[in-house]
Amino acid sequence: GAVVSQHPSRVICKSGTSVKIECRSLDFQATTMFWYRQFPKQSLMLMATSNEGSKATYEQGVEKDKFLINHASLTLSTLTVTSAHPEDSSFYICSARETHKETQYFGPGTRLLVL
Amino acid sequence: DAKTTQPPSMDCAEGRAANLPCNHSTISGNEYVYWYRQIHSQGPQYIIHGLKNNETNEMASLIITEDRKSSTLILPHATLRDTAVYYCIVRASNSGYALNFGKGTSLLVTP
Repeated sequence: GAVVSQHPSRVICKSGTSVKIECRSLDFQATTMFWYRQFPKQSLMLMATSNEGSKATYEQGVEKDKFLINHASLTLSTLTVTSAHPEDSSFYICSARETHKETQYFGPGTRLLVL
Repeated sequence: DAKTTQPPSMDCAEGRAANLPCNHSTISGNEYVYWYRQIHSQGPQYIIHGLKNNETNEMASLIITEDRKSSTLILPHATLRDTAVYYCIVRASNSGYALNFGKGTSLLVTP
């Protein structure tokens, strides 16, 4: 149990285009989902927290108009990188916390390369 | 959330027990100790968590000192697949907050 999926697993896009990444909790309902970003040889950095049915909370320095987050259901959150630039190339990872429980489970990550 | 301190790297021979230490001297009473690991180019994997009692599951054992200021994650029989970065994280219960990943310990299991 407690499986989180992400789609796509990797994506290459041109500079200026938008990319949508999906995060799904497959066998549990997640009131809260989190989006992280990880650059090479660095640790995970939290980008935003999303709660089902409400607006996401972004960490300092993360542009909410550039990284659009939607959490419309208890099993799906999406992250859209708008007008992507090469510096947005990174490993994007989501996690989901089962409603009324403590543990967070992570997706396998999405590797984004912006050319 | 309390800060944790872990050694940057450790080696372990295959088949031996891997003991990964973590210091969390400023931990408060309602904070749990969580352990995750991240194998290269994958998302973090939950291993185990505990509050004050020792815990064991199919993956590992977690030993928490009586004063709760440190803990040890034990992989009883390390395999090559256990090579990963291991993160010790403390977090308050029901905080709803994200996990704060430090630099972790890079464990290398050698043949």
